[in-house]
Amino acid sequence: NAGVTQTPKFRVLKTGQSMTLLCAQDMNHEYMYWYRQDPGMGLRLIHYSVGEGTTAKGEVPDGYNVSRLKKQNFLLGLESAAPSQTSVYFCASSSRGLWETQYFGPGTRLLVL
Amino acid sequence: KNEVEQSPQNLTAQEGEFITINCSYSVGISALHWLQQHPGGGIVSLFMLSSGKKKHGRLIATINIQEKHSSLHITASHPRDSAVYICAVNEKLTFGTGTRLTIIP
Repeated sequence: NAGVTQTPKFRVLKTGQSMTLLCAQDMNHEYMYWYRQDPGMGLRLIHYSVGEGTTAKGEVPDGYNVSRLKKQNFLLGLESAAPSQTSVYFCASSSRGLWETQYFGPGTRLLVL
Repeated sequence: KNEVEQSPQNLTAQEGEFITINCSYSVGISALHWLQQHPGGGIVSLFMLSSGKKKHGRLIATINIQEKHSSLHITASHPRDSAVYICAVNEKLTFGTGTRLTIIP
């Protein structure tokens, strides 16, 4: 099993450009999450999903959209990237609930110029 | 004030020393997570606990719900334990900023 994978690993965007980050898991997990990690801030939850077709906002959802059309995939979109969205993005999944063990992807490093 | 406070922020120790990392929180919780972030960036979940103590190898995690405090202990520390250790609480996972641990051979 690959576990949780993220695509791409690294990306440079110009302000105003759009992009989609893909998270895929092969563990048949119901819950999936997107986090961002910034220096001195710790991980912060952007959006999460409790099942296929459902999404919910986390702590810092502004400027991001998500979709969970298939159970194994969770997409994070930036419609108009801003320098403040320069960060490392982590995806995670868990089997049944927010308080179950989470399995993290390797991260995507995004630089917005 | 952050809902989750970790101490110390940085910790350097000699190989073999007993390590303690602390996590205090100000919100009501159902459970608490300890995570390990490797120097390369990968994040691994170590423990999830809601009461008492859990042990996995040389790692021990304890939690005191009444005092809103948890500790992560590492016995017989080794350079490979060098990482950032993060605690997280609350239903939507509020994270501490982490403790950077460096074990010197």
